[in-house]
Amino acid sequence: EDKVVQSPLSLVVHEGDTVTLNCSYEVTNFRSLLWYKQEKKAPTFLFMLTSSGIEKKSGRLSSILDKKELFSILNITATQTGDSAVYLCAVGSWTGNMLTFGGGTRLMVKP
Amino acid sequence: DAGITQSPRYKITETGRQVTLMCHQTWSHSYMFWYRQDLGHGLRLIYYSAAADITDKGEVSDGYVVSRSKTENFPLTLESATRSQTSVYFCASSERELTGESKSPLHFGNGTRLTVT
Repeated sequence: EDKVVQSPLSLVVHEGDTVTLNCSYEVTNFRSLLWYKQEKKAPTFLFMLTSSGIEKKSGRLSSILDKKELFSILNITATQTGDSAVYLCAVGSWTGNMLTFGGGTRLMVKP
Repeated sequence: DAGITQSPRYKITETGRQVTLMCHQTWSHSYMFWYRQDLGHGLRLIYYSAAADITDKGEVSDGYVVSRSKTENFPLTLESATRSQTSVYFCASSERELTGESKSPLHFGNGTRLTVT
């Protein structure tokens, strides 16, 4: 059974701090790893990673995948209160067109 | 506007009743999914569909039924609601298979919050 584990479960930081969110996985026939941000409603897409060692970057957010050690990290630098959200990691497998999600990391950024 | 819409946004029902959650997308995406989200479990797949008239079970399909007679609609029915089915339900769609080369990941609706009393 495919499994995705995120840590920490929750995190409280102050504006300007840098945070690292972790995602480890056990998936048969790994295809891709995705990061989503969820505020009050629907998750919104951040990154898709398929290759080890290649960093994806968007503004203050960046992510990297390690396929050998089966994990990914999401970094947020110079955090802002608008970064407060639940961050979801999901893994896609070649076996069936579906994603397996982790339980999420709840990030709260205080002013 | 194009997109994926779910209805109702909120629903309260009693144990044993049948309830249907609606999902409609205007992109003509082939793939559609139903997830439920509960504290401590993240998003769990209930059912998915690769095309009209093609559906398959996900991780937590017991007690749920889906249909896909038209590409744009993917209703989810709880045949006899139970308290354990109290959750937030998300519908999602994707244009093509979730390959590494795909630039079109899942698109989510805004969710339906279902409470079973």
